[in-house]
Amino acid sequence: NAGVMQNPRHLVRRRGQEARLRCSPMKGHSHVYWYRQLPEEGLKFMVYLQKENIIDESGMPKERFSAEFPKEGPSILRIQQVVRGDSAAYFCASSLTGESGQPQHFGDGTRLSIL
Amino acid sequence: EDQVTQSPEALRLQEGESSSLNCSYTVSGLRGLFWYRQDPGKGPEFLFTLYSAGEEKEKERLKATLTKKESFLHITAPKPEDSATYLCAVHNAGNNRKLIWGLGTSLAVNP
Repeated sequence: NAGVMQNPRHLVRRRGQEARLRCSPMKGHSHVYWYRQLPEEGLKFMVYLQKENIIDESGMPKERFSAEFPKEGPSILRIQQVVRGDSAAYFCASSLTGESGQPQHFGDGTRLSIL
Repeated sequence: EDQVTQSPEALRLQEGESSSLNCSYTVSGLRGLFWYRQDPGKGPEFLFTLYSAGEEKEKERLKATLTKKESFLHITAPKPEDSATYLCAVHNAGNNRKLIWGLGTSLAVNP
């Protein structure tokens, strides 16, 4: 499967725990984007990364949230000390280049539920 | 502020009944308008990119068109398998690469 792979598909955490979401981009893609989707709000941009660099994190909360895309391995979105409001679907996308106008290809998301 | 508005929110069609979905946008320098399809429990699936007014793209029963203010996704003779949420998104001329999204049109095609 050469598509964007996200895992886990479903993740349940209790308040105060940490959530780690993983994303492997499409083969040959080195640009990764994270989005959050809530039912009544649509998709919201969180962060854009290239290998080993965060390019734009303007949509990511300053506290508790972090993202990385190491030289080797998947991109990770990390949420520390989760709260009920973090419950959402988190989608990762990748693109071949970072040029504006390039389509982004999405994985099937991680559904995060906070008890 | 850049904004994308889709209408209608929901649309129910009979199989074979053609219709159009609308995506109106306000953006500072359009660099691309994207149509995606999203099925329940899945991620958005890329359909089309449109770059300039007058451009058209087609794929099977779908045809996307673009003007300076809006885009239409025309669905000709839809089938039940076309049932999904159709999402519109834009890239602006800024240095960021984030997509700005509409809330989608939920399409149901009855057999």
